Amino acid sequence: DADVTQTPRNRITKTGKRIMLECSQTKGHDRMYWYRQDPGLGLRLIYYSFDVKDINKGEISDGYSVSRQAQAKFSLSLESAIPNQTALYFCATSDPSGAGTGYTFGSGTRLTVV
Amino acid sequence: GEDVEQSLFLSVREGDSSVINCTYTDSSSTYLYWYKQEPGAGLQLLTYIFSNMDMKQDQRLTVLLNKKDKHLSLRIADTQTGDSAIYFCAERAGGYQKVTFGTGTKLQVIP
Repeated sequence: DADVTQTPRNRITKTGKRIMLECSQTKGHDRMYWYRQDPGLGLRLIYYSFDVKDINKGEISDGYSVSRQAQAKFSLSLESAIPNQTALYFCATSDPSGAGTGYTFGSGTRLTVV
Repeated sequence: GEDVEQSLFLSVREGDSSVINCTYTDSSSTYLYWYKQEPGAGLQLLTYIFSNMDMKQDQRLTVLLNKKDKHLSLRIADTQTGDSAIYFCAERAGGYQKVTFGTGTKLQVIP
């Protein structure tokens, strides 16, 4: 099994719909992150969580919300999807004690809002 | 805030060396990373360098860090078609413990 699992892998949804992207990790790390990737813009941080009771906004949190259900689970919601939220979304986890290990990423969710 | 910049595209011939460059703005960076993203996949950590180092070598990969100019580079020796991917530079600033990623450089290896 992958260290970080994202579901679904692909999703097409209509404008105005609520959608949830799920992420689970088996690394046992406290820290989890949601990024979106757009061509030419790299990865931009949406939300991050340093433990179950800690949720922080990233640089582009408007239109998104998150829930940290457990150490291993961190979900991202789009309350009312809009076309400019079409992107590739990545979940990641990290171990704060070992900065040299970097982040472990999931395989991504490709979201299309029509 | 932190800003990490890379050129968007690089094309090299198989067997040649590739050099991917990155500039960053945060002088408090502690770790700098290179990630590789293959098509349809997430990012995978390739290598990293601690800010008190100038160079790190790992098999075909050489990372050079110029702290004065805030410039990081990744050299891939004997580039292979399997090296075709997007390469992301990233920095971790000391106070925040979260990582800022660059825009990514798409490396195309021509057989």
